[in-house]
Amino acid sequence: DTGVSQDPRHKITKRGQNVTFRCDPISEHNRLYWYRQTLGQGPEFLTYFQNEAQLEKSRLLSDRFSAERPKGSFSTLEIQRTEQGDSAMYLCASSTGQATPEAGELFFGEGSRLTVL
Amino acid sequence: SQQGEEDPQALSIQEGENATMNCSYKTSINNLQWYRQNSGRGLVHLILIRSNEREKHSGRLRVTLDTSKKSSSLLITASRAADTASYFCATAPSGGSYIPTFGRGTSLIVHP
Repeated sequence: DTGVSQDPRHKITKRGQNVTFRCDPISEHNRLYWYRQTLGQGPEFLTYFQNEAQLEKSRLLSDRFSAERPKGSFSTLEIQRTEQGDSAMYLCASSTGQATPEAGELFFGEGSRLTVL
Repeated sequence: SQQGEEDPQALSIQEGENATMNCSYKTSINNLQWYRQNSGRGLVHLILIRSNEREKHSGRLRVTLDTSKKSSSLLITASRAADTASYFCATAPSGGSYIPTFGRGTSLIVHP
């Protein structure tokens, strides 16, 4: 399977614990995005990488959130000191971004669902 | 913040009927994209229409874009039960934005 993969698919944790999600994008894609989606809502942008550089972060990404993309390959999203409000689906997407400078088709993973008790 | 807003929020139709969903947005855009999401799954890209295009077709899908009204519509013809899903529009503001911004979506139920 050469699509975007996310791990774990489901995570249940207690409030105050740290969690980390991993995303493996399609190998030739240089752009990688993280979105958060709550029930009944559309995906909300969190952050975006062009290769290994984190180029933009949403104000939704509080200081408890950190994302990395070492060597421009896989990415991790860590949430420290989780709160119940962090419960959501965390979606990763990648795109080529080579043909045009504008945003093109995103390829999404199946998401990592976080439940904070 | 949500740039695009879909309408209606929910749509229930019978198999074989056409389904029309609308998307309105606020700022000038480079392109507008439609995505589909089955319950609990990731999003799947359906179609992209650029700001200088007015209509685009892909199989049973027809997308229109009216930049003067800042709106788009997605038409699914001859719907099937398998089309049951949530549909989202995503806009990329003009000025070289790399970040598609999604609306809240339309939940479509197609009854067999």
